[in-house]
Amino acid sequence: AQKVTQAQTEISVVEKEDVTLDCVYETRDTTYYLFWYKQPPSGELVFLIRRNSFDEQNEISGRYSWNFQKSTSSFNFTITASQVVDSAVYFCALSEVGGNQFYFGTGTSLTVIP
Amino acid sequence: GAGVSQSPSNKVTEKGKDVELRCDPISGHTALYWYRQSLGQGLEFLIYFQGNSAPDKSGLPSDRFSAERTGGSVSTLTIQRTQQEDSAVYLCASSLVADRRETQYFGPGTRLLVL
Repeated sequence: AQKVTQAQTEISVVEKEDVTLDCVYETRDTTYYLFWYKQPPSGELVFLIRRNSFDEQNEISGRYSWNFQKSTSSFNFTITASQVVDSAVYFCALSEVGGNQFYFGTGTSLTVIP
Repeated sequence: GAGVSQSPSNKVTEKGKDVELRCDPISGHTALYWYRQSLGQGLEFLIYFQGNSAPDKSGLPSDRFSAERTGGSVSTLTIQRTQQEDSAVYLCASSLVADRRETQYFGPGTRLLVL
């Protein structure tokens, strides 16, 4: 079974629209970390956020926000007022403390149309 | 400061040849990872160097793949007798400490094309 599921393979939005990228994870550990990375067309993955399993507070950073809900095992990422520069592939990842493993989802390709 | 660098950025080789891919992690980072990203796919873990401990090689797809990390810094991923299915982007990442909870910082990748 997939440890990290990003069901949305590709999303297209028009500039200035809001968009939410879904991430659902699976783990039996009580302590784990969740990550989001951005991979722009240049190819280099850029770290966006790390969240530990004990911190369910939502986080906002500029136009980016993350909604962590343990009850649904989800860690969704919302971009508000999207811009063309947001076009990239976004990866969600899970790190389990107990198993010392690191899992990436298959990514969501976001295209923002001007 | 300098990030993770990888070389070459692109490599085209013929089937059956050996290739070496290089990764220079961020200075002072203890852990180093190699991943493979095939076209349109997620990241496939290959190998993890965790400081002075034995590397985790559980992700290497075959014995044609090997990696070294000399002096706790630079790493080389070697693919022997390359096959067309080896064509992919090979990504290197490093983290400050040898703990998979740590944030990984990625290099730009090496795009390998096996003809």
